[in-house]
Parts: sequence; structure tokens; C-alpha cells
Amino acid sequence: AQRVTQPEKLLSVFKGAPVELKCNYSYSGSPELFWYVQYSRQRLQLLLRHISRESIKGFTADLNKGETSFHLKKPFAQEEDSAMYYCASPEGTGANNLFFGTGTRLTVIP
Amino acid sequence: ETGVTQSPTHLIKTRGQQVTLRCSSQSGHNTVSWYQQALGQGPQFIFQYYREEENGRGNFPPRFSGLQFPNYSSELNVNALELDDSALYLCASSLPGPINTEAFFGQGTRLTVV
Repeated sequence: AQRVTQPEKLLSVFKGAPVELKCNYSYSGSPELFWYVQYSRQRLQLLLRHISRESIKGFTADLNKGETSFHLKKPFAQEEDSAMYYCASPEGTGANNLFFGTGTRLTVIP
Repeated sequence: ETGVTQSPTHLIKTRGQQVTLRCSSQSGHNTVSWYQQALGQGPQFIFQYYREEENGRGNFPPRFSGLQFPNYSSELNVNALELDDSALYLCASSLPGPINTEAFFGQGTRLTVV
């Protein structure tokens, strides 16, 4: 089964500074990985998925198989980026239920 | 298009009691998953329903059970409540499909067991 770990519970950066939220996975095959975000008083929602190789709200995440990482990055943090971020992967091959990391709370300081 | 809705939003129960949580899936979604999110943790998968049948289960005891109805709405039932069952319970609906299918989450039900 795929597993993800997020080593940082809390991360604070100043507005305009670069952001990197760490996610490491343990899976020997080709992983499927997601980033979900939860803004204050809002529901958990998909931010981006690795298979799409997209940039959402200025965030990107590249799969690094050598480091088994899927870190979420943004070059210039905005105050509205303050939220709880979860890395996730499917529980097993062919499954579409998710295993979530413990999450990282990002605070962008004005 | 209506989103995923859960009821109730908050609930307090006594240890040993039974509880039923409800979820209406997003329009057109026939797959519903339930997650438990304890304080300070990420959501943990409980089980998933597809076309009224259980279609996968996480590491939860049998006292956690569910139902899905023909209109794809779903219930999560927990018997013999324990203090550790206190958590936010999330419902997510999705279309069946490959493993990169997006899950749409409800706001959750906050259950407190005293």
C-alpha cells in the first residue's frame, strides 16, 4: 500500500517568500499522489494531482522518484495561502480511496 | 450542481450509545467514502460504497458500518461508542474510475463522545 508522510506539522513564511511543503511517499511502483487543501471554515478540497502536472493557484508539485518526494512549492506566498495542506495517495493498487498524511499548517505572515 | 452535504454538523453522544451520520453525495456521483479525522491527524479511510455495496474498508472494527441508498446518499453507523470515536467524520463522493478520480468532501460531522 502507498503511504505518505509529512514531516512538518507547522510552517510559517512571510508574504512573498517561497514556500515548500514536504511530502514523502513509500511505494515501489509508480505512485499516484495528490495535494488537498483546507482553508479556514471550508471543506477539504483537491489542490492538485501529480498525474495532471498542473499549476493551481501558483502551486506546483513535482514527483521526485529518487528522493521519493512530492513536495508542494510556490515561489511567492500570499496571505490567502494560509491553510492546512494534506498530501495523499490511494490506499492500494486500483483503489480510489485515499491515505492522507498528517498535514502541514501553513501560515503566511503579512 | 449541488455539493456533498452532511448531517448533523455537530453531535454529542454518551459512551456505549449508537450514532448515525448522514451524507448526500454530489449530483451524479455514485461512490461515497467515509473518513475519520481525529484532532491533529489527517483523515483516515473507514470504508467506501459503490452502487449500494461496500467496496473497500480501512482498519476499523465491525461496529463501524454503513449503507448506501439507491439515490447514492449514505449513512455511517457506529455502535457501542467509545471515547476515542470522538472525531470529525468526513464523507466524500466521487465518480468511479481510475485512481486519480477527485474526491469531493462534505463539511463533516463533529462527533463528541462523553
